[in-house]
Amino acid sequence: GAVVSQHPSRVICKSGTSVKIECRSLDFQATTMFWYRQFPKQSLMLMATSNEGSKATYEQGVEKDKFLINHASLTLSTLTVTSAHPEDSSFYICSARDPYKGAKETQYFGPGTRLLVL
Amino acid sequence: DAKTTQPPSMDCAEGRAANLPCNHSTISGNEYVYWYRQIHSQGPQYIIHGLKNNETNEMASLIITEDRKSSTLILPHATLRDTAVYYCIVRGETGRRALTFGSGTRLQVQP
Repeated sequence: GAVVSQHPSRVICKSGTSVKIECRSLDFQATTMFWYRQFPKQSLMLMATSNEGSKATYEQGVEKDKFLINHASLTLSTLTVTSAHPEDSSFYICSARDPYKGAKETQYFGPGTRLLVL
Repeated sequence: DAKTTQPPSMDCAEGRAANLPCNHSTISGNEYVYWYRQIHSQGPQYIIHGLKNNETNEMASLIITEDRKSSTLILPHATLRDTAVYYCIVRGETGRRALTFGSGTRLQVQP
């Protein structure tokens, strides 16, 4: 099946710094990628939809200036958490859509990035 | 997307079949039932999906009732590696929108 990678798998940073998380589709071109966040013992919550070559669409309550998303190519989307604070500590997961696969396995998920802000 | 209801947790003995139910009484005619699972600290993994016919693949079987208001995911011979949170998601067959995850069912396979 299709593979989506994320880098880094885990990151620890100091409060106030910025962290960039990469999401790559390894064997297909993804016109759309999604970013989710998951807090401990909770379900995945959609943060934003990233479309190649255009601005991301953010869900209500997600600050676009804090969570910068760039989808400059068909295989790479990046999420930058700017001025991270301890409450941003979470598990960030991306998924990518293969437009040529139709509905089956509509989205392929990355392994996730665990962010800990001290 | 139609709302789904799943039991919060289930136990299953290793080697036995695990039957995970999902209620989706408000499902509309063009909406599919998808199942994903999430093993601890990993990204979700696609399992199976269906519209109205029962479906089977190498991972599981999906049984959808005739009125489509509920479905059951069957893992025929559960192993310890099947311990995960299983999510039942109902949505139309377009991949352009994100998946909406509920709270899922935490399946614990016991040795």
